[in-house]
Amino acid sequence: NAGVTQTPKFQVLKTGQSMTLQCAQDMNHEYMSWYRQDPGMGLRLIHYSVGAGITDQGEVPNGYNVSRSTTEDFPLRLLSAAPSQTSVYFCASKAGGPDTQYFGPGTRLTVL
Amino acid sequence: DQQVKQNSPSLSVQEGRISILNCDYTNSMFDYFLWYKKYPAEGPTFLISISSIKDKNEDGRFTVFLNKSAKHLSLHIVPSQPGDSAVYFCAASETDNFNKFYFGSGTKLNVKP
Repeated sequence: NAGVTQTPKFQVLKTGQSMTLQCAQDMNHEYMSWYRQDPGMGLRLIHYSVGAGITDQGEVPNGYNVSRSTTEDFPLRLLSAAPSQTSVYFCASKAGGPDTQYFGPGTRLTVL
Repeated sequence: DQQVKQNSPSLSVQEGRISILNCDYTNSMFDYFLWYKKYPAEGPTFLISISSIKDKNEDGRFTVFLNKSAKHLSLHIVPSQPGDSAVYFCAASETDNFNKFYFGSGTKLNVKP
């Protein structure tokens, strides 16, 4: 049981490049989400999904796309990376109640 | 503007003493609050929560207090242990919508042996 896994662990991009951050969970959780963590700002919700085919925006969705084709996977896409997207990104999933949210180990992204 | 605030970026405490971490919120719709603990290079892990129908919740060495009128909550760790050294995040949500969580900026706790 791996829990929530994220790849890659580290990534450096140039401005304008695109990439996809991968997130997978093996707990059969319906809810998955993406956060970014910035110094002095805590974690901010980017997008979330309550099940396959259903996604919605969080606090800071601009510049990011998501899709949810399976229960297990919830990739986050940056179509044209900007330096303001330099951050640590966390994926999370939960079964139902709020206390059951599990986070992945994070992806540290630097955009030059 | 941040709806959940942790105004102390860091806290240093001697082993065996009490650690008190504070959190304030501005949105009166929030009625469920959580504390997460985060070690370096790991994701946050759930620690303890409290619903607004309570003003206190205990779990072993950890107690969370909620003051709804002041829109303030605090996490007490007694006694503090070196293994408690981590960043602690406060988070808030609405019971009607557990799809969105709002986090504070975190407090880095250092427990000295």
